[in-house]
Amino acid sequence: SQKIEQNSEALNIQEGKTATLTCNYTNYSPAYLQWYRQDPGRGPVFLLLIRENEKEKRKERLKVTFDTTLKQSLFHITASQPADSATYLCRGGGADGLTFGKGTHLIIQP
Amino acid sequence: DAGVIQSPRHEVTEMGQEVTLRCKPISGHNSLFWYRQTMMRGLELLIYFNNNVPIDDSGMPEDRFSAKMPNASFSTLKIQPSEPRDSAVYFCASSDWTSSYEQYFGPGTRLTVT
Repeated sequence: SQKIEQNSEALNIQEGKTATLTCNYTNYSPAYLQWYRQDPGRGPVFLLLIRENEKEKRKERLKVTFDTTLKQSLFHITASQPADSATYLCRGGGADGLTFGKGTHLIIQP
Repeated sequence: DAGVIQSPRHEVTEMGQEVTLRCKPISGHNSLFWYRQTMMRGLELLIYFNNNVPIDDSGMPEDRFSAKMPNASFSTLKIQPSEPRDSAVYFCASSDWTSSYEQYFGPGTRLTVT
């Protein structure tokens, strides 16, 4: 079955450093990948979308990459802040269906 | 815009009872999605509609679950009869698939079946 895999362990990063989250996919060929942020008790909020023919997308302190050879997307937050602490979800979409990963919990320590 | 509205926000019911969750999508959006989120399974797509028509319901766990979208501004997800393993947070999301793949999520309904 198609899967989106994200590191289920919490990621602890020191404030000011770059946080890098990984999204891998198997048995799946998404036409695009999206990244969402989810805070406790709330629904996910859309951050970025990257299509399969795009290598990289940026939005303020956020950067996402899409490597179809490695079947992987990387999500970077530069100059991280404690307010960036949340769970980040990767989602694939396209003709192959819609699938969310379980998310990675990011903790930015002051 | 008020965003996606879901009701109730919390629901506690006994096993065997019928549960109905409600969703009002963002005005003008033509796609609506129902998800279920648990710690074990993450965020699972149950069903989605385009222009009020169910497109993919392969994620609906079993016949106890049903969803309807009688018009562009309202959808329901019904569980009958409910079981303890249905306990989860249920999210509704909407999008305008003609212009964007971005989904807007509601605040969710936390369902507890005892």
